Amino acid sequence: DAGITQSPRYKITETGRQVTLMCHQTWSHSYMFWYRQDLGHGLRLIYYSAAADITDKGEVPDGYVVSRSKTENFPLTLESATRSQTSVYFCASSEGLAGAGPYNEQFFGPGTRLTVL
Amino acid sequence: KQEVTQIPAALSVPEGENLVLNCSFTDSAIYNLQWFRQDPGKGLTSLLLIQSSQREQTSGRLNASLDKSSGRSTLYIAASQPGDSATYLCAVGVLGNEKLTFGTGTRLTIIP
Repeated sequence: DAGITQSPRYKITETGRQVTLMCHQTWSHSYMFWYRQDLGHGLRLIYYSAAADITDKGEVPDGYVVSRSKTENFPLTLESATRSQTSVYFCASSEGLAGAGPYNEQFFGPGTRLTVL
Repeated sequence: KQEVTQIPAALSVPEGENLVLNCSFTDSAIYNLQWFRQDPGKGLTSLLLIQSSQREQTSGRLNASLDKSSGRSTLYIAASQPGDSATYLCAVGVLGNEKLTFGTGTRLTIIP
């Protein structure tokens, strides 16, 4: 299917465990993003990637690790999950950065709801 | 620091009415503004993107306007339908910034 997919859609884990959330896009967009959405905070950027093997921190990167070995995949790993990382995680992609050009529409995946017990 | 505000947080209107959703931002140096809808438990669906050089964009029953000088955007929905019920989010792309800055959204309920 064309578009952007995330897996798993739901995940329950325990404090201290490692968790990897997957994101896959079929548009060959250069940029990919990870956001988390929490009540009272809205959507916040965790990490983003400009291309394969190029990643950079967003506003809330602590406790997360990303990699991008292929253009279409951008996994997000929680190395040692904490309860504060309970959230809904969204992956997004675009041709360019929001502030780097006038037309860089971002497209979002369906989200992963993560619960850390 | 760019701040994006959407007021009201929630809105209920009868089916068939035209309505306006508001989005305000503090830094007028934006490159674009994007409107999304989010259904409960779902991801964000992009509705419209307005470039900084544009005043408005239309898609079907939706019309989004942008006034950079006043730091405001509106999303106009004509002839509302129950299927329009969702949370609507606006987000701005700012010069030199890698991310979209999101508002906290307006939860819209269309009453049949």
